[in-house]
Amino acid sequence: AQSVTQLDSHVSVSEGTPVLLRCNYSSSYSPSLFWYVQHPNKGLQLLLKYTSAATLVKGINGFEAEFKKSETSFHLTKPSAHMSDAAEYFCVVTPGTSYGKLTFGQGTILTVHP
Amino acid sequence: NAGVMQNPRHLVRRRGQEARLRCSPMKGHSHVYWYRQLPEEGLKFMVYLQKENIIDESGMPKERFSAEFPKEGPSILRIQQVVRGDSAAYFCASSHDGQGSRETQYFGPGTRLLVL
Repeated sequence: AQSVTQLDSHVSVSEGTPVLLRCNYSSSYSPSLFWYVQHPNKGLQLLLKYTSAATLVKGINGFEAEFKKSETSFHLTKPSAHMSDAAEYFCVVTPGTSYGKLTFGQGTILTVHP
Repeated sequence: NAGVMQNPRHLVRRRGQEARLRCSPMKGHSHVYWYRQLPEEGLKFMVYLQKENIIDESGMPKERFSAEFPKEGPSILRIQQVVRGDSAAYFCASSHDGQGSRETQYFGPGTRLLVL
């Protein structure tokens, strides 16, 4: 069984300040982990993924995430927020096999203030 | 290379009608997944299909819902006799059929179903 917990339902930052979106996971297997972003009334866009290679993963738009097995965490960060980053972010886990069933967290809504 | 296509983008149905949601995967992708996003909730897996086969339908409601992915044409998610609780955004995703690459799923823009 696998699950994902996003620790904050809402995060609010000022433009130009760092972003931290927290995610903890539980998985019976060596997991694959993803972050997706969803802008209002749009589909989901893949930001980055971890599949057992380097533990620090770089994604698009300046985002990165670090896989920490000891803490079962996969937090998403960005050094400097931009107004266009305002969206909902989902942390996602699969069991690391070739099976395609994704388990989503509840989502974190990021608000960026000018 | 076009992304995952879904249509319609918005669908309004009255209670008791049927809803048909279509999904065309990315070119070269033969794995299709359907997810449902209820208001104020994250996405929940519904069904995983390959061409002409249902691989996992563990997330599908037992009644009124069905899915197919024929040899030719788009994948169809069909909801019979819709009820207000079916109002949600339905997302389709697809992935390549190469070994180890199934896990990266690319999502379509979704179909937002409203049941009156």
